[in-house]
Amino acid sequence: AQSVTQLGSHVSVSEGALVLLRCNYSSSVPPYLFWYVQYPNQGLQLLLKYTTGATLVKGINGFEAEFKKSETSFHLTKPSAHMSDAAEYFCAVTPGGNNDMRFGAGTRLTVKP
Amino acid sequence: DSGVTQTPKHLITATGQRVTLRCSPRSGDLSVYWYQQSLDQGLQFLIQYYNGEERAKGNILERFSAQQFPDLHSELNLSSLELGDSALYFCASSVGQSLYGYTFGSGTRLTVV
Repeated sequence: AQSVTQLGSHVSVSEGALVLLRCNYSSSVPPYLFWYVQYPNQGLQLLLKYTTGATLVKGINGFEAEFKKSETSFHLTKPSAHMSDAAEYFCAVTPGGNNDMRFGAGTRLTVKP
Repeated sequence: DSGVTQTPKHLITATGQRVTLRCSPRSGDLSVYWYQQSLDQGLQFLIQYYNGEERAKGNILERFSAQQFPDLHSELNLSSLELGDSALYFCASSVGQSLYGYTFGSGTRLTVV
C-alpha cells in the first residue's frame, strides 16, 4: 500500500525566506508523487509531479521538489516566499495505473510580511 | 476554472436526510474520483469510477453510494446523514491513469444540522 507523511501541519516563514515543506512516502512499487496546493474555499490545484526521469521537478509558481529514493522523500521548496504562497499544501502518492491517489494530511503555509 | 464542475457549492440539510452531489468531469476525462475533506480526517478517498464502472473503493460508508452515467457525469448519494458527515466533498477527474494527476472541482460544502 502507498502512503505519504507530511512533517509539520503548520509552517510559517517570512516573505522572501526559503520555503521547505517535507513529505516522506511509503510505497512497495516505484511511486508517482505529486504536490497540490489548496487556497481557501477552492479545490486542489496540481503544483508539480514526479513520474520518471529527472529527480528534480519544477512546477508552477517557482516551486520545485526533489525525489530522493534513498530517503523516501519528496520535499517541496521555493527559494523566496511570497505572500500569495499562503495556502495548504498536500503531498500525494499513487502506484499508477488505474489506482487511486492517497494524500497526506496537509501542511498549512503562513507567510509573514 | 479547472473544467471539473461540482454542484451545488453549498448544501445545508438535517440529520437523517438524503442528498445528491453532482460532478461533471473535465472534457475527455474518463475517471472520476470522490474525496471527503474534514478537519479531523483530512482528505479521504471515497470511490473511483472509470467510464461508468466502479474501479476502487476507499473509506466509503455503506450509507454513501455513487455512480457514473453514460455521459460520464457522476453523482454521490449520501443518506441517513449524521452530523459527522459535514465536510467538503471533492470530485476529481483524470484521463485514465493516475500518474497524470487529477483535476479537482471546487467542492461541495455539506453542513448537516
